[in-house]
Amino acid sequence: ETGVTQSPTHLIKTRGQQVTLRCSSQSGHNTVSWYQQALGQGPQFIFQYYREEENGRGNFPPRFSGLQFPNYSSELNVNALELDDSALYLCASSLGGSYNSPLHFGNGTRLTVT
Amino acid sequence: TQLLEQSPQFLSIQEGENLTVYCNSSSVFSSLQWYRQEPGEGPVLLVTVVTGGEVKKLKRLTFQFGDARKDSSLHITAAQPGDTGLYLCAGAHQAGTALIFGKGTTLSVSS
Repeated sequence: ETGVTQSPTHLIKTRGQQVTLRCSSQSGHNTVSWYQQALGQGPQFIFQYYREEENGRGNFPPRFSGLQFPNYSSELNVNALELDDSALYLCASSLGGSYNSPLHFGNGTRLTVT
Repeated sequence: TQLLEQSPQFLSIQEGENLTVYCNSSSVFSSLQWYRQEPGEGPVLLVTVVTGGEVKKLKRLTFQFGDARKDSSLHITAAQPGDTGLYLCAGAHQAGTALIFGKGTTLSVSS
């Protein structure tokens, strides 16, 4: 069984730029959730995609957007990057679109905005 | 905003000691999950508890869900250096809101 993979592992961007992060879900999982984890904090929910539709969104501005593809892989796009966007971005896959389902996380993308 | 508060925030102990980590909220959760995260990696699920008063054991780790399903604890017996990591609790509400994570407890076990 293939686990959750994220790319790239590290990324450095300049304030105002745009970034796209990618996630391949675990085999058989149809739901992808994205989280932002600042240093020393727990993960903060950005949004969840279930069967290619957004299935819930956290308290993040519209410049954070996403997509889910027919193979259930997903992208997180962030426009107009700000310094505070520097964080570890975690993707997690699960089954069924329920928030009670256990999450299987990738190892994250470390984004640094300068 | 429903919050999950974890305590202590940091814990540094010697190998062989016992410890308890707490996860508290003013809200009722339909289920609560515990994860462990090591540096450079994503969180890994340890256990899910769903019934008030439920106790689950995973080797030297004992997890308990409060009777009112508002709190949980993780007890580690005879801690080992391999237990070092960030322990996160996460709760889901019946209303279908997102899985909410606490800020975590950073555990360091030295030999």
